[in-house]
Amino acid sequence: EIVLTQSPGTLSLSPGERATLSCRASQSVSSSSLAWYQQKPGQAPRLLIYGASNTATGIPDRFSGSGSGTDFILIINRLEPEDFAVYYCQQYGSSPRTFGQGTKVEIK
Amino acid sequence: EVQLLESGGALVQPGGSLRLSCAASGFTFSNYVMSWVRQVPGKGLEWVSDISNSDGTTDYADSVKGRFTISRDNSKNTLYLQLSSLRAEDTAVYYCARTLGYCSGGRCYAYFGSWGQGTLVTVSS
Repeated sequence: EIVLTQSPGTLSLSPGERATLSCRASQSVSSSSLAWYQQKPGQAPRLLIYGASNTATGIPDRFSGSGSGTDFILIINRLEPEDFAVYYCQQYGSSPRTFGQGTKVEIK
Repeated sequence: EVQLLESGGALVQPGGSLRLSCAASGFTFSNYVMSWVRQVPGKGLEWVSDISNSDGTTDYADSVKGRFTISRDNSKNTLYLQLSSLRAEDTAVYYCARTLGYCSGGRCYAYFGSWGQGTLVTVSS
Protein backbone atom coordinates (compact mmCIF):
# COMPACT_ATOMS: atom_id res chain seq x y z
CA GLU A 1 0.00 0.00 0.00
CA ILE A 2 1.29 3.43 -0.94
CA VAL A 3 1.41 5.81 2.01
CA LEU A 4 0.97 9.49 1.19
CA THR A 5 2.44 12.03 3.59
CA GLN A 6 1.25 15.61 3.30
CA SER A 7 3.12 18.60 4.65
CA PRO A 8 2.77 20.86 6.40
CA GLY A 9 -0.08 19.73 8.60
CA THR A 10 -1.33 23.30 8.88
CA LEU A 11 -0.46 26.32 6.77
CA SER A 12 -1.29 29.75 8.16
CA LEU A 13 -1.48 32.39 5.45
CA SER A 14 -3.21 35.65 4.63
CA PRO A 15 -5.58 36.26 1.71
CA GLY A 16 -3.59 37.14 -1.39
CA GLU A 17 -0.61 35.00 -0.41
CA ARG A 18 0.58 31.88 -2.20
CA ALA A 19 0.09 28.42 -0.67
CA THR A 20 2.42 25.52 -1.45
CA LEU A 21 1.25 22.09 -0.29
CA SER A 22 3.36 18.95 -0.53
CA CYS A 23 2.36 15.30 -0.96
CA ARG A 24 5.09 12.66 -0.76
CA ALA A 25 4.48 9.01 -1.63
CA SER A 26 6.21 6.03 -0.01
CA GLN A 27 6.80 4.60 -3.49
CA SER A 28 6.51 5.89 -7.01
CA VAL A 29 2.99 6.74 -8.16
CA SER A 30 2.55 5.25 -11.60
CA SER A 31 1.57 7.44 -14.53
CA SER A 32 1.34 10.49 -12.27
CA SER A 33 -1.97 9.11 -11.02
CA LEU A 34 -2.43 11.67 -8.31
CA ALA A 35 -5.42 13.83 -7.46
CA TRP A 36 -6.04 16.73 -5.09
CA TYR A 37 -9.29 17.53 -3.29
CA GLN A 38 -10.54 20.47 -1.26
CA GLN A 39 -12.87 19.97 1.69
CA LYS A 40 -14.61 22.72 3.64
CA PRO A 41 -16.23 22.11 7.04
CA GLY A 42 -19.48 20.18 6.76
CA GLN A 43 -19.04 19.63 3.03
CA ALA A 44 -18.00 16.78 0.80
CA PRO A 45 -14.57 16.85 -0.83
CA ARG A 46 -14.31 18.51 -4.22
CA LEU A 47 -11.95 17.41 -6.97
CA LEU A 48 -9.38 20.06 -7.87
CA ILE A 49 -6.60 18.31 -9.78
CA TYR A 50 -6.19 14.92 -11.47
CA GLY A 51 -3.27 13.34 -13.30
CA ALA A 52 -1.01 15.40 -11.04
CA SER A 53 -1.42 18.58 -13.10
CA ASN A 54 -4.82 18.64 -14.82
CA THR A 55 -7.32 21.09 -13.38
CA ALA A 56 -10.84 19.75 -12.96
CA THR A 57 -13.79 21.45 -14.62
CA GLY A 58 -14.83 24.69 -12.97
CA ILE A 59 -11.73 25.01 -10.81
CA PRO A 60 -10.16 28.50 -10.86
CA ASP A 61 -6.79 28.81 -12.56
CA ARG A 62 -5.12 29.95 -9.33
CA PHE A 63 -4.99 26.23 -8.45
CA SER A 64 -2.19 24.26 -10.07
CA GLY A 65 -0.57 20.89 -9.51
CA SER A 66 2.78 19.44 -10.44
CA GLY A 67 5.10 16.57 -9.71
CA SER A 68 5.83 12.98 -10.59
CA GLY A 69 7.24 9.85 -9.05
CA THR A 70 7.06 10.35 -5.30
CA ASP A 71 6.83 14.13 -4.94
CA PHE A 72 3.80 16.23 -5.79
CA ILE A 73 2.86 19.85 -5.17
CA LEU A 74 -0.39 21.80 -5.09
CA ILE A 75 -0.04 25.56 -5.44
CA ILE A 76 -2.78 28.05 -4.75
CA ASN A 77 -1.88 31.49 -6.06
CA ARG A 78 -3.38 34.60 -4.47
CA LEU A 79 -5.46 32.92 -1.77
CA GLU A 80 -9.11 33.91 -1.76
CA PRO A 81 -11.23 33.75 1.43
CA GLU A 82 -13.06 30.69 0.07
CA ASP A 83 -9.77 28.77 -0.33
CA PHE A 84 -9.25 28.29 3.39
CA ALA A 85 -10.02 24.61 3.80
CA VAL A 86 -8.44 21.17 4.14
CA TYR A 87 -6.68 19.70 1.12
CA TYR A 88 -6.12 15.99 0.48
CA CYS A 89 -3.99 14.21 -2.08
CA GLN A 90 -4.94 10.75 -3.35
CA GLN A 91 -3.06 8.25 -5.48
CA TYR A 92 -4.90 6.01 -7.90
CA GLY A 93 -2.02 4.33 -9.68
CA SER A 94 -2.02 1.27 -7.48
CA SER A 95 -4.46 -0.66 -5.36
CA PRO A 96 -5.63 0.10 -2.80
CA ARG A 97 -6.12 3.77 -3.59
CA THR A 98 -4.96 5.86 -0.68
CA PHE A 99 -5.29 9.41 0.60
CA GLY A 100 -2.91 11.66 2.44
CA GLN A 101 -3.83 12.82 5.93
CA GLY A 102 -4.62 16.35 4.76
CA THR A 103 -3.20 19.86 5.00
CA LYS A 104 -5.29 22.57 6.61
CA VAL A 105 -4.91 26.02 5.09
CA GLU A 106 -6.04 28.52 7.70
CA ILE A 107 -6.29 32.28 7.84
CA LYS A 108 -3.33 33.87 9.56
CA GLU B 1 -25.58 18.90 -13.10
CA VAL B 2 -24.28 15.77 -11.40
CA GLN B 3 -26.17 15.04 -8.19
CA LEU B 4 -25.56 12.23 -5.74
CA LEU B 5 -27.81 11.87 -2.72
CA GLU B 6 -26.96 9.35 -0.02
CA SER B 7 -29.41 8.00 2.51
CA GLY B 8 -29.73 5.22 5.03
CA GLY B 9 -27.23 6.31 7.66
CA ALA B 10 -28.26 5.60 11.25
CA LEU B 11 -27.21 4.61 14.74
CA VAL B 12 -26.69 0.84 14.84
CA GLN B 13 -25.37 -1.55 17.46
CA PRO B 14 -22.10 -3.42 17.02
CA GLY B 15 -22.68 -6.53 14.96
CA GLY B 16 -25.67 -4.96 13.26
CA SER B 17 -26.45 -4.29 9.61
CA LEU B 18 -27.45 -1.33 7.49
CA ARG B 19 -28.02 -0.54 3.85
CA LEU B 20 -26.93 2.76 2.37
CA SER B 21 -28.34 4.11 -0.88
CA CYS B 22 -27.09 6.74 -3.28
CA ALA B 23 -29.52 8.19 -5.81
CA ALA B 24 -27.77 9.59 -8.87
CA SER B 25 -28.99 12.12 -11.41
CA GLY B 26 -27.64 14.50 -14.01
CA PHE B 27 -25.53 11.93 -15.85
CA THR B 28 -25.78 8.50 -17.47
CA PHE B 29 -25.35 6.39 -14.36
CA SER B 30 -24.73 3.12 -16.21
CA ASN B 31 -21.66 4.59 -17.92
CA TYR B 32 -19.66 5.17 -14.75
CA VAL B 33 -17.76 3.25 -12.16
CA MET B 34 -19.18 4.16 -8.76
CA SER B 35 -17.50 4.12 -5.37
CA TRP B 36 -17.98 4.55 -1.65
CA VAL B 37 -15.50 6.55 0.41
CA ARG B 38 -15.77 7.10 4.16
CA GLN B 39 -14.50 9.63 6.65
CA VAL B 40 -14.36 9.32 10.39
CA PRO B 41 -15.60 12.68 11.71
CA GLY B 42 -12.66 15.04 12.03
CA LYS B 43 -10.31 12.60 10.32
CA GLY B 44 -9.11 11.69 6.86
CA LEU B 45 -10.63 9.89 3.88
CA GLU B 46 -10.65 6.14 3.22
CA TRP B 47 -11.69 4.41 -0.01
CA VAL B 48 -14.17 1.63 0.80
CA SER B 49 -15.45 -0.02 -2.37
CA ASP B 50 -15.93 0.21 -6.15
CA ILE B 51 -18.33 -1.31 -8.62
CA SER B 52 -17.61 -1.20 -12.31
CA ASN B 53 -20.11 -0.05 -14.88
CA SER B 54 -19.31 -2.70 -17.47
CA ASP B 55 -19.53 -6.09 -15.78
CA GLY B 56 -20.40 -5.27 -12.18
CA THR B 57 -16.97 -6.23 -10.91
CA THR B 58 -16.50 -5.17 -7.31
CA ASP B 59 -13.51 -4.35 -5.14
CA TYR B 60 -13.18 -3.64 -1.44
CA ALA B 61 -10.74 -2.25 1.06
CA ASP B 62 -9.28 -4.96 3.27
CA SER B 63 -10.89 -3.29 6.29
CA VAL B 64 -14.41 -4.07 5.01
CA LYS B 65 -13.89 -7.13 2.80
CA GLY B 66 -16.31 -9.90 3.68
CA ARG B 67 -18.56 -7.55 5.67
CA PHE B 68 -19.69 -4.93 3.14
CA THR B 69 -21.34 -5.52 -0.24
CA ILE B 70 -21.58 -2.92 -2.98
CA SER B 71 -24.23 -3.17 -5.68
CA ARG B 72 -26.01 -1.01 -8.21
CA ASP B 73 -29.35 -0.85 -10.00
CA ASN B 74 -28.85 0.93 -13.29
CA SER B 75 -32.60 0.98 -13.95
CA LYS B 76 -33.06 3.05 -10.81
CA ASN B 77 -29.82 5.05 -11.07
CA THR B 78 -28.99 3.94 -7.57
CA LEU B 79 -25.86 2.69 -5.83
CA TYR B 80 -26.02 0.65 -2.65
CA LEU B 81 -23.72 -0.42 0.15
CA GLN B 82 -24.82 -3.21 2.46
CA LEU B 83 -22.96 -3.01 5.76
CA SER B 84 -22.88 -6.09 8.00
CA SER B 85 -21.06 -7.19 11.15
CA LEU B 86 -20.57 -3.54 11.97
CA ARG B 87 -17.84 -2.45 14.33
CA ALA B 88 -17.22 0.76 16.24
CA GLU B 89 -14.41 1.60 13.82
CA ASP B 90 -16.92 1.67 10.95
CA THR B 91 -18.41 4.84 12.42
CA ALA B 92 -17.99 7.44 9.70
CA VAL B 93 -19.65 9.62 7.11
CA TYR B 94 -20.09 7.51 3.99
CA TYR B 95 -19.85 9.30 0.65
CA CYS B 96 -20.78 7.92 -2.73
CA ALA B 97 -18.69 9.15 -5.62
CA ARG B 98 -18.75 9.08 -9.38
CA THR B 99 -15.42 7.63 -10.30
CA LEU B 100 -13.25 8.55 -13.26
CA GLY B 101 -10.53 6.26 -14.56
CA TYR B 102 -10.53 2.63 -15.48
CA CYS B 103 -10.93 -0.82 -14.01
CA SER B 104 -8.77 -3.79 -14.91
CA GLY B 105 -8.22 -7.18 -13.36
CA GLY B 106 -10.85 -6.53 -10.73
CA ARG B 107 -9.25 -3.33 -9.51
CA CYS B 108 -10.06 0.27 -10.36
CA TYR B 109 -7.41 2.91 -10.96
CA ALA B 110 -9.49 6.01 -10.68
CA TYR B 111 -10.15 9.21 -8.86
CA PHE B 112 -13.38 10.62 -7.49
CA GLY B 113 -14.87 13.24 -9.77
CA SER B 114 -18.14 14.04 -7.99
CA TRP B 115 -19.27 13.39 -4.43
CA GLY B 116 -22.53 13.25 -2.58
CA GLN B 117 -23.05 15.06 0.70
CA GLY B 118 -22.60 11.93 2.76
CA THR B 119 -24.61 9.95 5.27
CA LEU B 120 -23.50 9.29 8.85
CA VAL B 121 -23.22 5.77 10.19
CA THR B 122 -22.70 5.49 13.94
CA VAL B 123 -21.90 2.11 15.44
CA SER B 124 -22.42 2.16 19.17
CA SER B 125 -24.24 0.30 21.91
